[in-house]
Amino acid sequence: DAGVTQSPTHLIKTRGQHVTLRCSPISGHKSVSWYQQVLGQGPQFIFQYYEKEERGRGNFPDRFSARQFPNYSSELNVNALLLGDSALYLCASSLSRFAGGGYTFGSGTRLTVV
Amino acid sequence: KNEVEQSPQNLTAQEGEFITINCSYSVGISALHWLQQHPGGGIVSLFMLSSGKKKHGRLIATINIQEKHSSLHITASHPRDSAVYICAVEDEYGGSQGNLIFGKGTKLSVKP
Repeated sequence: DAGVTQSPTHLIKTRGQHVTLRCSPISGHKSVSWYQQVLGQGPQFIFQYYEKEERGRGNFPDRFSARQFPNYSSELNVNALLLGDSALYLCASSLSRFAGGGYTFGSGTRLTVV
Repeated sequence: KNEVEQSPQNLTAQEGEFITINCSYSVGISALHWLQQHPGGGIVSLFMLSSGKKKHGRLIATINIQEKHSSLHITASHPRDSAVYICAVEDEYGGSQGNLIFGKGTKLSVKP
């Protein structure tokens, strides 16, 4: 069984551009969460989607948006990119949305904004 | 002050040494996770625990809910254990709608 897959693995964008990151959860997992990890810091929660609905949102501006598709894969979109958006973006999937659900992480997408 | 604090931030050990990484948190939690992150960025889940102690191979994780403290121990450390170890918690109210709160991580380097 494939693990959590994220694409692309690396990406370079220019300030002001838009980016779309993709995540495919483990088969049977209905929850997908997105995290941003800036160099030297722990990951920060961006969004959680469960059963195709947004169930949680971290302290990120409206430039960040996401959605979940019927097959439970997910996209994270970031508009009007800033230099500070350069980070590793991690996706994690789990069976359920609540506490106690084990998480499986993808390898991340490293975004560089120049 | 961060809700999840780890110590030490950096740790260098000789192969074979016993290693302890500590995690303290300030929120009520329903579960605590220990994660391992290698230089490429991918994160591997090591343990999820809500009470007591768990062991997997040379790794042992303990948690004291009353003291809001957890430790990760590595026995007979090996250079392949070199990685960043991250503590993350799910708060008691359904994990704040599912999110994890992460510590900044402990960078471990084991020398041969």
